[in-house]
Amino acid sequence: AAGVIQSPRHLIKEKRETATLKCYPIPRHDTVYWYQQGPGQDPQFLISFYEKMQSDKGSIPDRFSAQQFSDYHSELNMSSLELGDSALYFCASRMGRLYSGNTIYFGEGSWLTVV
Amino acid sequence: GESVGLHLPTLSVQEGDNSIINCAYSNSASDYFIWYKQESGKGPQFIIDIRSNMDKRQGQRVTVLLNKTVKHLSLQIAATQPGDSAVYFCAEIDTGGFKTIFGAGTRLFVKA
Repeated sequence: AAGVIQSPRHLIKEKRETATLKCYPIPRHDTVYWYQQGPGQDPQFLISFYEKMQSDKGSIPDRFSAQQFSDYHSELNMSSLELGDSALYFCASRMGRLYSGNTIYFGEGSWLTVV
Repeated sequence: GESVGLHLPTLSVQEGDNSIINCAYSNSASDYFIWYKQESGKGPQFIIDIRSNMDKRQGQRVTVLLNKTVKHLSLQIAATQPGDSAVYFCAEIDTGGFKTIFGAGTRLFVKA
């Protein structure tokens, strides 16, 4: 079965550079979530989209932005990168609103290292 | 703020024994909870979920118990196997369904 696809899997950037992470949800999934997981930490919710509109916002820095496109894939743009942005970034997707009981599936994550 | 947390950061069990991982949540308005398993360098993997109108749900070798009175969630793994070694997170989904709050993970070690 198709899963959530994230690219790139690994990315190395220098401080103050910009990075873009991409997420391709499971087919027919219209909701996308982004999470940041630092070393040894639990995943922190950043932002979510439902039907191409932002649906909720968590602890996403102002330097970060995201959007969901017409094909439901999503991109997380990170500018003015800082060393503390080094983390594993997860994308997750689900179909429909939560009340339908559809669960949330995660991708394998994108490793961002800022040097 | 609202939070979901775990009582024990690490748990070591013998292969074949049953494991119990606990979780406390603070947002009594949340109506959906999920347990995830995360292996090193991989994304969280769905294990089992439960809605707030239930107090128990069983899967294959796993059972989730929900006690809304004390806002407590537990994951029981029967006949724990070496492949169960991982970090386990409980997650609380807000009523809107768009935000998942993860608690601090519990690392499960299974001794052969």
